[in-house]
Amino acid sequence: AQSVTQLGSHVSVSEGALVLLRCNYSSSVPPYLFWYVQYPNQGLQLLLKYTSAATLVKGINGFEAEFKKSETSFHLTKPSAHMSDAAEYFCAVSDPGTYKYIFGTGTRLKVLA
Amino acid sequence: KAGVTQTPRYLIKTRGQQVTLSCSPISGHRSVSWYQQTPGQGLQFLFEYFSETQRNKGNFPGRFSGRQFSNSRSEMNVSTLELGDSALYLCASSQATGGGTEAFFGQGTRLTVV
Repeated sequence: AQSVTQLGSHVSVSEGALVLLRCNYSSSVPPYLFWYVQYPNQGLQLLLKYTSAATLVKGINGFEAEFKKSETSFHLTKPSAHMSDAAEYFCAVSDPGTYKYIFGTGTRLKVLA
Repeated sequence: KAGVTQTPRYLIKTRGQQVTLSCSPISGHRSVSWYQQTPGQGLQFLFEYFSETQRNKGNFPGRFSGRQFSNSRSEMNVSTLELGDSALYLCASSQATGGGTEAFFGQGTRLTVV
């Protein structure tokens, strides 16, 4: 069964600092991986997705993620944090056999002025 | 292009009542999924519909049901509400043409059961 683990339920960074949010997956087949962001009282917005075309994936708002098969990881990064990045971030894997997305438990990012 | 629309945005219901939530997917999307989000359990899959057929169902009691209409709009129903059903219910639509197809989420319906 596929699963996703996000390390760190809360991450704090200073404005302008590097953002690193961790995601590890477990999958018996090549996975399709996604990062979503959720602002308070909102739905989920897609940041980026990995579908095996390229291991380094660039998304919206300056975020990118690198797929590392050897480490079964898909960590999300942003070189310089902005106050508006404060939100909850979810890593997800899609399971085409069951037509569902399996989400990690989320990481709440706090950006300090 | 309009996004996924969920109505209503907020609901307050009493224990034992039933509730119906509505979701209008992005035009052209034939797959609609529902998720329940709570602080304790996170995002949990409820069910997925494609062309009016339920293709998969999550591990929820039979009080949770759904359907999809010919125009791809979907509804979910929860009967005999319990306090634990209080949650944000999210609907997602996709073209579902492959495993890498992204899902687009609505803003959710916040259900409070009192």
